[in-house]
Amino acid sequence: ETGVTQSPTHLIKTRGQQVTLRCSSQSGHNTVSWYQQALGQGPQFIFQYYREEENGRGNFPPRFSGLQFPNYSSELNVNALELDDSALYLCASSSKIHNQETQYFGPGTRLLVL
Amino acid sequence: GDSVTQMEGPVTLSEEAFLTINCTYTATGYPSLFWYVQYPGEGLQLLLKATKADDKGSNKGFEATYRKETTSFHLEKGSVQVSDSAVYFCALIPRDSASKIIFGSGTRLSIRP
Repeated sequence: ETGVTQSPTHLIKTRGQQVTLRCSSQSGHNTVSWYQQALGQGPQFIFQYYREEENGRGNFPPRFSGLQFPNYSSELNVNALELDDSALYLCASSSKIHNQETQYFGPGTRLLVL
Repeated sequence: GDSVTQMEGPVTLSEEAFLTINCTYTATGYPSLFWYVQYPGEGLQLLLKATKADDKGSNKGFEATYRKETTSFHLEKGSVQVSDSAVYFCALIPRDSASKIIFGSGTRLSIRP
């Protein structure tokens, strides 16, 4: 059973640029959630995707958007990057088929915005 | 709204000491409760969970009991090891929403040999 994987591991961008982060869910999981973890803080929920549809969103502006693909992998897109977007971005997968709410996390993508 | 409050760190202990990290929550109804651990440079790992009142989650010598009356889910371990050094996050999933995990701010634990 493969775990959650994310790419890239590290990324440096400049203010105003756009970025795409990728996540492959754990085998058998159909739900992907994204979180932002600023330095020294707990993760904050961005949004969740289930069956290719957004299924809940946290308090993040529309320039944070996402996709889920038929194989349940997912992308997080952030437009017009700001310095405060510098953080560790975590992806988590789970399965709603069996009402399994436990989410399993990937290693994260560390984004630095200069 | 729903929230999690956990004791501020850093917590520094000697090896084989007893560990308690306090966690309390505010939520409507009966959420599911979790402890996650984050080792240096890594993502989050699920440590243990409890889904209803009086349940005890346990793993790797760590334990936490879901206390409805005190809205608490304190993490304990009888004898810590250097390898337990990490950041520990208490978290909940609201009963009415399986979408999002609400995390506490984390407690950094350092164990001295």
